[in-house]
Amino acid sequence: GDSVTQMEGPVTLSEEAFLTINCTYTATGYPSLFWYVQYPGEGLQLLLKATKADDKGSNKGFEATYRKETTSFHLEKGSVQVSDSAVYFCALSDGLGGSQGNLIFGKGTKLSVKP
Amino acid sequence: DTEVTQTPKHLVMGMTNKKSLKCEQHMGHRAMYWYKQKAKKPPELMFVYSYEKLSINESVPSRFSPECPNSSLLNLHLHALQPEDSALYLCASSQFDGPSTDTQYFGPGTRLTVL
Repeated sequence: GDSVTQMEGPVTLSEEAFLTINCTYTATGYPSLFWYVQYPGEGLQLLLKATKADDKGSNKGFEATYRKETTSFHLEKGSVQVSDSAVYFCALSDGLGGSQGNLIFGKGTKLSVKP
Repeated sequence: DTEVTQTPKHLVMGMTNKKSLKCEQHMGHRAMYWYKQKAKKPPELMFVYSYEKLSINESVPSRFSPECPNSSLLNLHLHALQPEDSALYLCASSQFDGPSTDTQYFGPGTRLTVL
């Protein structure tokens, strides 16, 4: 079945450091890929998405490129801030199966940014 | 506006109580979802409603009873819960329950504690 694997956390960085959170996927169809962010005590917020190969999603300085050849969707940010501290979830939606809009989540990566 | 609202924000209940969680969206979305999220885990899908009809029940115990009174509202009725049901309950909505390109928008969640 479909699955998402993302790097285990926690990830601890200093402010203004470069961030990469790796995400790879397995899917039988042509999935859409998402990054969601969850700040402490809150629900999930959509950070960015990409719906086809080579698409780049971007938002708030974060970027991720849909790489079909490597089945990856790595999240990057050039300069993190303390306010970026949160849990980041990579997810896919493959449009197949009983509920076509089902999201399949990775386990989440906790990011802590120190001043 | 991509807002999904949930009430209450926090709920404490005993194992013999009956309570309800409420979710509302005014984006005209026709698919609505309930998720359960335990600490340090990704959300787990519980129910999917499509056009106000239950389309997916992920083998959820009958002590959880969903209801979709209209296209904007989704309720989750709780009865005779167990302490292990304590979790963050998230509601989400998307335009349709179908295309993989569709985005799910999440509410802030209800933090449930069962004593």
